[in-house]
Amino acid sequence: SQTIHQWPATLVQPVGSPLSLECTVEGTSNPNLYWYRQAAGRGLQLLFYSVGIGQISSEVPQNLSASRPQDRQFILSSKKLLLSDSGFYLCAWSRPESGGETQYFGPGTRLLVL
Amino acid sequence: AQKVTQAQTEISVVEKEDVTLDCVYETRDTTYYLFWYKQPPSGELVFLIRRNSFDEQNEISGRYSWNFQKSTSSFNFTITASQVVDSAVYFCALSDSSGGYQKVTFGTGTKLQVIP
Repeated sequence: SQTIHQWPATLVQPVGSPLSLECTVEGTSNPNLYWYRQAAGRGLQLLFYSVGIGQISSEVPQNLSASRPQDRQFILSSKKLLLSDSGFYLCAWSRPESGGETQYFGPGTRLLVL
Repeated sequence: AQKVTQAQTEISVVEKEDVTLDCVYETRDTTYYLFWYKQPPSGELVFLIRRNSFDEQNEISGRYSWNFQKSTSSFNFTITASQVVDSAVYFCALSDSSGGYQKVTFGTGTKLQVIP
């Protein structure tokens, strides 16, 4: 069976500090990978998605970046955090199909920027 | 453009009551897919159901049932005999049929509180 891991689970960082969140998927190969952000009490915002190693597409311009150094590893980074980067970050994967891929989500990382 | 509307922001019910969560969608595609996810207080989104636009059969899974009506562009979710463990935020989502990357549009969610 497939599992998706995210770490850390929670993070408190000062404004201007760097960020690195990691997501890994087990039990599948060549998944599509996604990073979402959920602000408190709000819906999900897609940040990045990847259909393969080194292939990253950005949905929202911001001070965040993503990388996919390995097939089942997806990293979300920032060089300098902003207060507005606080939120709940969710990683998801899906099996490439011709339509209607179901996305499966990880446990998330709660980020508080002070 | 795709759009998913969950007009009910918050719903409170007493345990054992039935509750229906509404979802209305907009898409220009003739082939599309609809989803429901549950987000308990722990935060992880849990997949509940996926439907394609060609399958309008209603589905029942235990206490959960889904009513898909293309004529009204709705995909409503009913919980029968609600329990405290059903307390969560529920998201409806829509994806189109283009190949490759599947963009999913999520609704803003409905927070369900089941009171014991």
